[in-house]
Amino acid sequence: GQNIDQPTEMTATEGAIVQINCTYQTSGFNGLFWYQQHAGEAPTFLSYNVLDGLEEKGRFSSFLSRSKGYSYLLLKELQMKDSASYLCAVEGDSGGYQKVTFGTGTKLQVIP
Amino acid sequence: GAGVSQTPSNKVTEKGKYVELRCDPISGHTALYWYRQSLGQGPEFLIYFQGTGAADDSGLPNDRFFAVRPEGSVSTLKIQRTERGDSAVYLCASSAKLAGGPGELFFGEGSRLTVL
Repeated sequence: GQNIDQPTEMTATEGAIVQINCTYQTSGFNGLFWYQQHAGEAPTFLSYNVLDGLEEKGRFSSFLSRSKGYSYLLLKELQMKDSASYLCAVEGDSGGYQKVTFGTGTKLQVIP
Repeated sequence: GAGVSQTPSNKVTEKGKYVELRCDPISGHTALYWYRQSLGQGPEFLIYFQGTGAADDSGLPNDRFFAVRPEGSVSTLKIQRTERGDSAVYLCASSAKLAGGPGELFFGEGSRLTVL
């Protein structure tokens, strides 16, 4: 099965940088997703990491260490609209297919 | 359609009733997931289809829950004898992913179920 752990809440200041960590334990790890979810809305895709290292996409970057079972999402130049929940999701083996399991999410509040 | 469509968007029912929630995935997507999300929590895995078959139904909480995808496209989540604890947003997601390859999940807007 999968076990995914991320902080429940974080607060950061507009214009700053914030790092949201995710640790996981899973069988047959294939990749790791980060999704953003605004209150009352569906999750939307941010990033997908398969190999170790940092993937940069504009203001958002995602890092993966497969050996440590660890990932983080880095948000730079924070904007008020970045206030949302950030979901770490692991893609792991499920009978030959890959099942995606989500963590509980980190609720980020950006303050002026 | 352009995106994943879920109906109804809202469903209010009484304890003990039967409900069906429908998901119409993005055309051509072979993988389809159902999740349940309660307030302040992440999506909780329920069931995953590849084509017509359930590749993994280990997340269905008990035998009151059942899901089908008879033609490999539209899926229906069925809940019998609903209980107040079933109240949640039920999310459907689809992916073009095949076994062994990557695939971003595209989510519908969800069906909010309230059991009185």
